[in-house]
Amino acid sequence: ETGVTQSPTHLIKTRGQQVTLRCSSQSGHNTVSWYQQALGQGPQFIFQYYREEENGRGNFPPRFSGLQFPNYSSELNVNALELDDSALYLCASSLFTHDTGELFFGEGSRLTVL
Amino acid sequence: GEDVEQSLFLSVREGDSSVINCTYTDSSSTYLYWYKQEPGAGLQLLTYIFSNMDMKQDQRLTVLLNKKDKHLSLRIADTQTGDSAIYFCAERSTNAGKSTFGDGTTLTVKP
Repeated sequence: ETGVTQSPTHLIKTRGQQVTLRCSSQSGHNTVSWYQQALGQGPQFIFQYYREEENGRGNFPPRFSGLQFPNYSSELNVNALELDDSALYLCASSLFTHDTGELFFGEGSRLTVL
Repeated sequence: GEDVEQSLFLSVREGDSSVINCTYTDSSSTYLYWYKQEPGAGLQLLTYIFSNMDMKQDQRLTVLLNKKDKHLSLRIADTQTGDSAIYFCAERSTNAGKSTFGDGTTLTVKP
């Protein structure tokens, strides 16, 4: 069973740039959620994708956008980067129909915005 | 909106029991979770409890839920140095997809 993989693991950008983060979901999972974890805080829900459609969104501006592909992998795009976007971005996969809602997390992409 | 609160730090001696506490606000929470995060890693689900349960035991882990007070606790028996990590409480309401996390409790286990 392949776990959740994210790329890149680390990256540095400057203010105003754009970034794309990638996630491959765990084998058999059809749902991908993205979370932002700032230093010393818990993960904050950005959005979830199911059947290639956004299925719920947290309190993040439209410059945070995403995609899900037919193979259930996903991208998170952030435009016009701000210093406060510096964080660990976590992807989690799950089965939409699984009652417990258990999330399987990747190890994250650490973004630093200078 | 939903909110989850945890104490930030806990330090125990190896072999003692650890109790990590959490409170939440969303009365429609259906599942409550405990996740563990080790340095440089993602979160790993330790255990969960359904909202109509009071207690769940899983080897060294015991979860207690007081739904009236919206209080959740995680007890780790015979705590080991390998248990040192950040523990996150999370809840999931009936809203699709979203789990709300606390800011984590850093558990330090001293030999």
